[in-house]
Amino acid sequence: EDQVTQSPEALRLQEGESSSLNCSYTVSGLRGLFWYRQDPGKGPEFLFTLYSAGEEKEKERLKATLTKKESFLHITAPKPEDSATYLCAVRRRLYSGGSNYKLTFGKGTLLTVNP
Amino acid sequence: EAQVTQNPRYLITVTGKKLTVTCSQNMNHEYMSWYRQDPGLGLRQIYYSMNVEVTDKGDVPEGYKVSRKEKRNFPLILESPSPNQTSLYFCASRDSSRRGYTFGSGTRLTVV
Repeated sequence: EDQVTQSPEALRLQEGESSSLNCSYTVSGLRGLFWYRQDPGKGPEFLFTLYSAGEEKEKERLKATLTKKESFLHITAPKPEDSATYLCAVRRRLYSGGSNYKLTFGKGTLLTVNP
Repeated sequence: EAQVTQNPRYLITVTGKKLTVTCSQNMNHEYMSWYRQDPGLGLRQIYYSMNVEVTDKGDVPEGYKVSRKEKRNFPLILESPSPNQTSLYFCASRDSSRRGYTFGSGTRLTVV
């Protein structure tokens, strides 16, 4: 069974205080690890896709990295507008050789950045 | 603007009264999916569709139906809603590229 565990559940930072969010996963045949941002009352917003160990993606103050067992979302010098819940998800093929995929989400990390 | 549109945003209904939540996307995406989000449980997939007339069950399909008669629309049907279907529902779509899903703004459903 696919498992995605995000830690910490909640993180409170001061503006400018860099930190990292963790996403540990167990999946057979990873076909992508996704990071989303979700603001209260809104749908998740796609941030990054990572496909292979060693891959890194960056967007503004966010940088996502991937190993064979976990992914990190590094937040450099965060601002209050970075406050949100960050979701991690893993995707795998449902059937060998098929084009059906299963996406499993973690429960998220609630990030609060205080001014 | 590229988007996934769900309606209604909020819905309060009574047990057993059939309802439909509509979902439409304007990006010509092949894949569409429905999720429910509950506190402590995260996002769980209800149904998904790979293309017109092709649908399959997700992790929590019991009590739900879907149809995909047109590429842009993917309605979620609750034939006989029960209180345990009270939740926040999201529709999402994606193309066959490496990007993730584009999500709608959500439908908050309360069944009393």
